[in-house]
Amino acid sequence: LAKTTQPISMDSYEGQEVNITCSHNNIATNDYITWYQQFPSQGPRFIIQGYKTKVTNEVASLFIPADRKSSTLSLPRVSLSDTAVYYCLVGDYKLSFGAGTTVTVRA
Amino acid sequence: EAGVVQSPRYKIIEKKQPVAFWCNPISGHNTLYWYLQNLGQGPELLIRYENEEAVDDSQLPKDRFSAERLKGVDSTLKIQPAELGDSAVYLCASSLDQGQYNEQFFGPGTRLTVL
Repeated sequence: LAKTTQPISMDSYEGQEVNITCSHNNIATNDYITWYQQFPSQGPRFIIQGYKTKVTNEVASLFIPADRKSSTLSLPRVSLSDTAVYYCLVGDYKLSFGAGTTVTVRA
Repeated sequence: EAGVVQSPRYKIIEKKQPVAFWCNPISGHNTLYWYLQNLGQGPELLIRYENEEAVDDSQLPKDRFSAERLKGVDSTLKIQPAELGDSAVYLCASSLDQGQYNEQFFGPGTRLTVL
């Protein structure tokens, strides 16, 4: 199971782009990279998943370099409601959430 | 579509008492997960079900924790007896099938406080 490393916290302001980088040096060939978001008093919520290059949906973009040893979640033009904990997960069903990155968006 | 339902949302008990949590997954989801989340940490997997079969319970403290998923739908997680260190949020999640490609849908969790 690939171990991940991500920053503990990040601060931003409304309207800015937030980029969270996750390191996963021992990612396996068949591992996908998945990001979840968690608000206080709620369960995590799926944001995006990718294998390589770039994936974009209505919420975020996920950038994965060719060596796949890291990935970057990009949240465009954040608002106060994007304040949450963001988890990077790699691999199979034994999802290891880790401590995540607490993103705080200020007005 | 209804999401994952958990009850109760909050539970306060004294140590050594038993407690049970209930989860109703999204209809049609074969895989069900129970997680434990301590304050300031991410969820940790306790047990995973494929239909009614517990296919991974390696992280479940079997001396005091037990779980069941009757008829492959609803699931119950039990702690007996509860200890102070069991205070945490217990999350239930479900997915269509097993595997990393399947998005997990989480319930709101049950916050347990053991006094």
